[in-house]
Amino acid sequence: EAAVTQSPRNKVAVTGGKVTLSCNQTNNHNNMYWYRQDTGHGLRLIHYSYGAGSTEKGDIPDGYKASRPSQENFSLILELATPSQTSVYFCASGETVYEQYFGPGTRLTVL
Amino acid sequence: GQQVQQSPTSLVLQEGENAELQCNFSTSLNSMQWFYQRPGGSLISVFYNPSGTKQSGRLTSTTVIKERRSSLHISSSQITDSGTYLCARRSWQLIFGSGTQLTVMP
Repeated sequence: EAAVTQSPRNKVAVTGGKVTLSCNQTNNHNNMYWYRQDTGHGLRLIHYSYGAGSTEKGDIPDGYKASRPSQENFSLILELATPSQTSVYFCASGETVYEQYFGPGTRLTVL
Repeated sequence: GQQVQQSPTSLVLQEGENAELQCNFSTSLNSMQWFYQRPGGSLISVFYNPSGTKQSGRLTSTTVIKERRSSLHISSSQITDSGTYLCARRSWQLIFGSGTQLTVMP
């Protein structure tokens, strides 16, 4: 089974601070995704990538940047964190959009 | 508005009871997928169901494309079935519903 790991698993940040969430996958999948999950909204797509060096905007990209420096790693960057970005963030990878393997999630609290 | 609506929002059952979860789509549907999320955990796909009925153990998924709806039936529920069940519409991306939180009590 695909292995997707995320770090950190929990993070408390201050408003205005920079936050970087990291994701690593070991199955050589081309596609990687970042979602956030909030009560009442399910999972919403923030950014995705088709391979090293590529990043694309999803449905809710405002306030977030993404970086895909290698096939294995995909980062989500909050340059100026705000309390509205308090959420649970999931990374996923897959060969197709229909076969996504999800990481364990990162719980981010912005105070 | 939300493209994928799930009901009920939450459900509490006694062990052994059956559960019926619903998913309705406001736009045209090609295919959909059901996911299970462990409490506080990651998501795993449980069904890809383009249309018709699929069964896997105690889980049965029925999707009616023309009516833009899908259901997930869990028979003889177990405590380990507790968690959140999400449906997703397949397009160029996965569009998720907000989920049904299932709690199975002993």
